This record gives sequence, structure tokens and C-alpha cells, in this order.
Amino acid sequence: AQSVTQLDSQVPVFEEAPVELRCNYSSSVSVYLFWYVQYPNQGLQLLLKYLSGSTLVKGINGFEAEFNKSQTSFHLRKPSVHISDTAEYFCAVRRVNTDKLIFGTGTRLQVFP
Amino acid sequence: DAMVIQNPRYQVTQFGKPVTLSCSQTLNHNVMYWYQQKSSQAPKLLFHYYDKDFNNEADTPDNFQSRRPNTSFCFLDIRSPGLGDAAMYLCATSRERTGSPLNTEAFFGQGTRLTVV
Repeated sequence: AQSVTQLDSQVPVFEEAPVELRCNYSSSVSVYLFWYVQYPNQGLQLLLKYLSGSTLVKGINGFEAEFNKSQTSFHLRKPSVHISDTAEYFCAVRRVNTDKLIFGTGTRLQVFP
Repeated sequence: DAMVIQNPRYQVTQFGKPVTLSCSQTLNHNVMYWYQQKSSQAPKLLFHYYDKDFNNEADTPDNFQSRRPNTSFCFLDIRSPGLGDAAMYLCATSRERTGSPLNTEAFFGQGTRLTVV
């Protein structure tokens, strides 16, 4: 079975600073990887996804993530954060040719002025 | 336009009184999911449908049931809500597993926050 680990439950950062949110996964087979963002009392919105090909994927709101197969990681980055990026971020994995989507425990990004 | 719609956004129910949460979609996706999300936790998959094929997670309590009468609608029934069932319930849809990988992401509704009193 696949699993997802987000090591940082909270990441505080000042506005305009860079940020990296870490995600590691485990699976014995090929997977698709996703990052979702959740604002308070809202559903989840897709930021970006890795399916295959280029290991660097770009998403919405200036976020990008890099797939590293050898380290089984899919870390999310943004070079300069805004106050509006304050939210909960979830990494998720879905095995290829299955329907099951599993989430990590989430990382709360808090951006301070 | 909203593509995955959950009603109501907020639901208050009494301890032990059956409650139904609803989800509808305009995406014509084969797969529909129900997740439970407690405060400051990850969404936890309760079950999902591939068309009418129901897939229950092993640790989903029997208290939780689901119905999918057609492609567009899916319901979550909680037969006897306990205080521990208070949570945000998220519905999501996606295309089938054998479809194009370009369409693998899940689309989420706004969620229904359930309070048990």
C-alpha cells in the first residue's frame, strides 16, 4: 500500500521569503503525485501534479515541485511567498491504474508580514 | 461554475439521529470519493465508487454508509452519529483509473461541516 509523509506540521515564514514544504512517499509501484491547498472551511484545490516526464512541475500561484524518484520525494517550493499563501498544504499519492487517492498529514504554512 | 457541489455546507445533527450528506457533480466523472477530515488532520478516505462499484476502506466504521443512485449524485449516510463523527466531510470526483493520466486529479467540493450535539 502507498503512504505519504509530510515531516513538517507547521512552517512559519516571513513574507517574500522562499519556502519548501517536504513530502515523501512510499510505494512499490509507479504513482502519480499531487499537492493540494486548503483554505479555512474550504475544500481542496489542486496546486500541481506529477504524472511522468520532467521531474520539475509548475503549478498555480507560483508554486513548483520536484519529483525525486531515488529519494521518493516530491517537495513543494515557492521562491517568494505572500500573506495570501497562508493555508494548509497536502501532498497526495495515487497509484497508477488505481482510483485510491491518499493524503499526507498536511503542513500548515503561516506567512508573517 | 461549481463542478462538485456539496449540500449543505454546515449541518448540525443530534447525537444518534441519522443524517445524510449529499454531493453532486457536473463533470461526469466515474469515480466519486468521500473523505472525513477532522480538525488539523489529513482527509481520511472513507470509501469511493468507480461507477456503481463500491470500495469501502477497511477501517471505515459500519456507521457510515453510502449510496450512488446515478453518475451525478452520491450520498453519505451516518446512521447513528456520535460526538466523534463531528468533522468536515469532503466529496471529490476523478476520472477512471484507465483514462488518460492527464486527468488523474481529484476535484473537491467545498465540504460539509458536521456538528453533533
